[in-house]
Amino acid sequence: DAGVIQSPRHEVTEMGQEVTLRCKPISGHNSLFWYRQTMMRGLELLIYFNNNVPIDDSGMPEDRFSAKMPNASFSTLKIQPSEPRDSAVYFCASSPLVGVYNEQFFGPGTRLTVL
Amino acid sequence: DAKTTQPPSMDCAEGRAANLPCNHSTISGNEYVYWYRQIHSQGPQYIIHGLKNNETNEMASLIITEDRKSSTLILPHATLRDTAVYYCIVRPDFGNEKLTFGTGTRLTIIP
Repeated sequence: DAGVIQSPRHEVTEMGQEVTLRCKPISGHNSLFWYRQTMMRGLELLIYFNNNVPIDDSGMPEDRFSAKMPNASFSTLKIQPSEPRDSAVYFCASSPLVGVYNEQFFGPGTRLTVL
Repeated sequence: DAKTTQPPSMDCAEGRAANLPCNHSTISGNEYVYWYRQIHSQGPQYIIHGLKNNETNEMASLIITEDRKSSTLILPHATLRDTAVYYCIVRPDFGNEKLTFGTGTRLTIIP
């Protein structure tokens, strides 16, 4: 099992550019989560999907951020246009949608730097 | 709205038991206590969870007080690889998969 796969691992871009982060969840997992981590704000949930449907996007900071999950094995987080304050580590996590509890499995993260 | 309170940092000698406390005085009857940890530059990793009984797995033990207002995560024989930030999280019942991470406890294992 390869775990949650994220790409790219590192991204450096200039302010105003479009950035797309990608995530492949663990096969068979029905829930997918996008988090952002900064020194100032810690680890924040941006959005999560159940069965490819967005359930809660209240953590998405503003309209510049959008997330999609076109199928069970792929999700994207897009920032357009990017700003320096978007610099952070972005984590994707997945979990099985079964039972009373869910263990979330995190990917290695994408470190985004916006200059 | 912080639902848990943890000390910002702790040290523990290698080979000793590390006891990490967490206060969750406003926990509801159907809320679980979860523990995750984050080793430097990695994504968070699930450790253990519980409702009201003490729990043990291959990584740790979780002791929850009878009134459920606090808990302690125990790493029985800490190693240098246990150096990480440990998060105590109270999660709503089934149907809401959100995990809200606080600031956690930075545990440093001393050789």
